[in-house]
Amino acid sequence: DAGVTQSPTHLIKTRGQQVTLRCSPKSGHDTVSWYQQALGQGPQFIFQYYEEEERQRGNFPDRFSGHQFPNYSSELNVNALLLGDSALYLCASSGKGTQVYEQYFGPGTRLTVT
Amino acid sequence: EDKVVQSPLSLVVHEGDTVTLNCSYEVTNFRSLLWYKQEKKAPTFLFMLTSSGIEKKSGRLSSILDKKELFSILNITATQTGDSAVYLCAVENNNAGNMLTFGGGTRLMVKP
Repeated sequence: DAGVTQSPTHLIKTRGQQVTLRCSPKSGHDTVSWYQQALGQGPQFIFQYYEEEERQRGNFPDRFSGHQFPNYSSELNVNALLLGDSALYLCASSGKGTQVYEQYFGPGTRLTVT
Repeated sequence: EDKVVQSPLSLVVHEGDTVTLNCSYEVTNFRSLLWYKQEKKAPTFLFMLTSSGIEKKSGRLSSILDKKELFSILNITATQTGDSAVYLCAVENNNAGNMLTFGGGTRLMVKP
């Protein structure tokens, strides 16, 4: 049983470009949360998707958007990239009725904006 | 807005030492506090503390929660080089599903 998978592993983009990151949840999980972790800081919650809809959102601008597909996988899109968007982007999945500690984190995508 | 502050920012110790990591928090509707270990990328779960479980222990690691003073500590005894990692503290808000608010982490380095 594969855990949470994310792609790509690393990505280098230029300011102003757009990027799409992908996440496949752990088998049996239907909820996907995205976090941004800047270097030397803790993860910050971006948003959470459940039943293909954004259920909660953190304090991030509209440049950050997402999508969840019928198979529960999810995408994070960031438009008009800024240098400050450089970070490790973590995806976490959970299932209906699971407790927060049962949330599994993926290995992340390291985004570098130059 | 929920807030988590961890201290110290970083710590260097030698194998065999005991360390104490601190986490203070403010949360509007507390449900739980969690500790994670992050070595490379994905945080891995260590402990969850709630109102009904304010002390946890697993091997050389232990944690307590003080709900009155709004802090938690993570203790590691007889440290090993494999304990070198960033330790993250996070709180769960009862109104926010599985969303977590994380602190900035404590970077622990254990030297041989």
